Amino acid sequence: AQSVTQLDSQVPVFEEAPVELRCNYSSSVSVYLFWYVQYPNQGLQLLLKYLSGSTLVKGINGFEAEFNKSQTSFHLRKPSVHISDTAEYFCAVNRADYGKLTFGQGTILTVHP
Amino acid sequence: EAGVTQFPSHSVIEKGQTVTLRCDPISGHDNLYWYRRVMGKEIKFLLHFVKESKQDESGMPNNRFLAERTGGTYSTLKVQPAELEDSGVYFCASSLESSGNTIYFGEGSWLTVV
Repeated sequence: AQSVTQLDSQVPVFEEAPVELRCNYSSSVSVYLFWYVQYPNQGLQLLLKYLSGSTLVKGINGFEAEFNKSQTSFHLRKPSVHISDTAEYFCAVNRADYGKLTFGQGTILTVHP
Repeated sequence: EAGVTQFPSHSVIEKGQTVTLRCDPISGHDNLYWYRRVMGKEIKFLLHFVKESKQDESGMPNNRFLAERTGGTYSTLKVQPAELEDSGVYFCASSLESSGNTIYFGEGSWLTVV
């Protein structure tokens, strides 16, 4: 079985500041890793995913994440955030041959002017 | 191309009543998943259909929940009778392949049981 821990439940930042949302996972088998975002009153949107290959993954809206196998982490970063990035972010994993996702608890990112 | 669509978007029902949620996956996607997030908890897997067959229903909380996918197209999730703890958002998702490398989610159906 897989498990996911998002280390911060809430992250407040000022506009144009850098941000890192932390995600650790646990699995005994190979996994795919994902970050999803939920904007207020909207559904889940895929930000980026790691399947294999380069450990640095770039996604939409200027976000990127780095897969670190030794530390079992998949932290999400953005060098300069905007007000519009205010949302809840979810880290998720699945076994690398099956689509059943295990989600973290979510991190609420609030960007202040 | 239309994404995953869910209906209704919001529903408020009384304890003991029945609610049926509907999901239309992306056309051609054989794999359909239901997830839910109850208040203060993480998003949790409920079940997985491959076409009309239930591949994995290990996440269904109890027998008050019934999911169907007749004909392998749209799916319904019925809660009968609804309890207060069923309140939350129910997400449907679909994917072309079972490997799970790309899963698309709908907007969610927000259920409030009063």
